[in-house]
Amino acid sequence: KNQVEQSPQSLIILEGKNCTLQCNYTVSPFSNLRWYKQDTGRGPVSLTIMTFSENTKSNGRYTATLDADTKQSSLHITASQLSDSASYICVVSARTNTGKLIFGQGTTLQVKP
Amino acid sequence: DAGITQSPRHKVTETGTPVTLRCHQTENHRYMYWYRQDPGHGLRLIHYSYGVKDTDKGEVSDGYSVSRSKTEDFLLTLESATSSQTSVYFCAISDGHSYEQYFGPGTRLTVT
Repeated sequence: KNQVEQSPQSLIILEGKNCTLQCNYTVSPFSNLRWYKQDTGRGPVSLTIMTFSENTKSNGRYTATLDADTKQSSLHITASQLSDSASYICVVSARTNTGKLIFGQGTTLQVKP
Repeated sequence: DAGITQSPRHKVTETGTPVTLRCHQTENHRYMYWYRQDPGHGLRLIHYSYGVKDTDKGEVSDGYSVSRSKTEDFLLTLESATSSQTSVYFCAISDGHSYEQYFGPGTRLTVT
């Protein structure tokens, strides 16, 4: 069964600190992995997209890694800011005609001053 | 929100009544999607469209129908709303060439 699991479910950190969010998946055949940021009351916004051949991608203070062999990904946030408080969703796309997306349940991050 | 609007943004309705949610895009993208988001679940695909009048079911399509008569509009209809359809509904669009999907702001629907 195609699944995407994220950990931790929630996380509280102090402003300025770094953190790492984890994503494990069992989607096959694999096409690409995305990380989205979802602010409260808003739609998800794409942070990074990685294909099978990419093992790291950065977007400002966000760095995503992908290990296609172990089917794991991480999202590292550097020097956190209050505006990083959001839900972070890992999404894996299957290599099918429809490009079906399988969504994780998300990690809720709270950054405190 | 990448030129995507959803209406209404909030709606409260009674069980058994019909409800239509609208997604409107200004990007001229070919693909449009309807998802629902519930606590304890990731976003789940309800229906999607790959062109005008071309639609297909997602993983949670029971109780929902869709229509796309113009490139820019994708309608989601609940023929007879039930309390289990209380959720936040997101529309998304994609051009089909990149991997990007752009999401709308969402519609919060409450069925009492």
